[in-house]
Amino acid sequence: ETGVTQSPTHLIKTRGQQVTLRCSSQSGHNTVSWYQQALGQGPQFIFQYYREEENGRGNFPPRFSGLQFPNYSSELNVNALELDDSALYLCASSRDGGGGEKLFFGSGTQLSVL
Amino acid sequence: SQQGEEDPQALSIQEGENATMNCSYKTSINNLQWYRQNSGRGLVHLILIRSNEREKHSGRLRVTLDTSKKSSSLLITASRAADTASYFCATASSSNTGKLIFGQGTTLQVKP
Repeated sequence: ETGVTQSPTHLIKTRGQQVTLRCSSQSGHNTVSWYQQALGQGPQFIFQYYREEENGRGNFPPRFSGLQFPNYSSELNVNALELDDSALYLCASSRDGGGGEKLFFGSGTQLSVL
Repeated sequence: SQQGEEDPQALSIQEGENATMNCSYKTSINNLQWYRQNSGRGLVHLILIRSNEREKHSGRLRVTLDTSKKSSSLLITASRAADTASYFCATASSSNTGKLIFGQGTTLQVKP
């Protein structure tokens, strides 16, 4: 078990709605990365936050946005939900963003968009 | 898009046998990592091998890296039923963007 916690564990939304997912990073970590994992696929990088600043972004549209707070916890916001946004959303924390050091993952939020 | 291609996509073996899974990637890397995922939940880091290393061991795990072929392999020796999971390789680009790029994974089933 890592010290990374995500909430909620499951969420059901309808197309067009907005959703906020939350993540608390492991103690001592100042970097949070978010990944989207579709069923049967590997995780895809959404973005990373390091000391409250975005530090890299994957190939996701602007309706995917994030925040990192002074305590290094983080939020992922998705606006105008689409059916294809249904996936497992994973948060991972690490020390000192960049460098590709090992990640500590939370258990994820399973989002279903109907 | 994902950088890694993993092979095989699925593997089924008997307890006690060895399991080997392979990963290929496309760009220059700082390091390559292997992760394990049980039942679609969070991933757990297994091992990290840097671009200047060729082989690394951790318990029953052995990882090799061939940067000239842009490939890596993960060997699990003396497998156990509890090793049943999906295994992913992930690469950290040498451009140091901070992100890890994951492959599509190998699903391993170890039969008791």
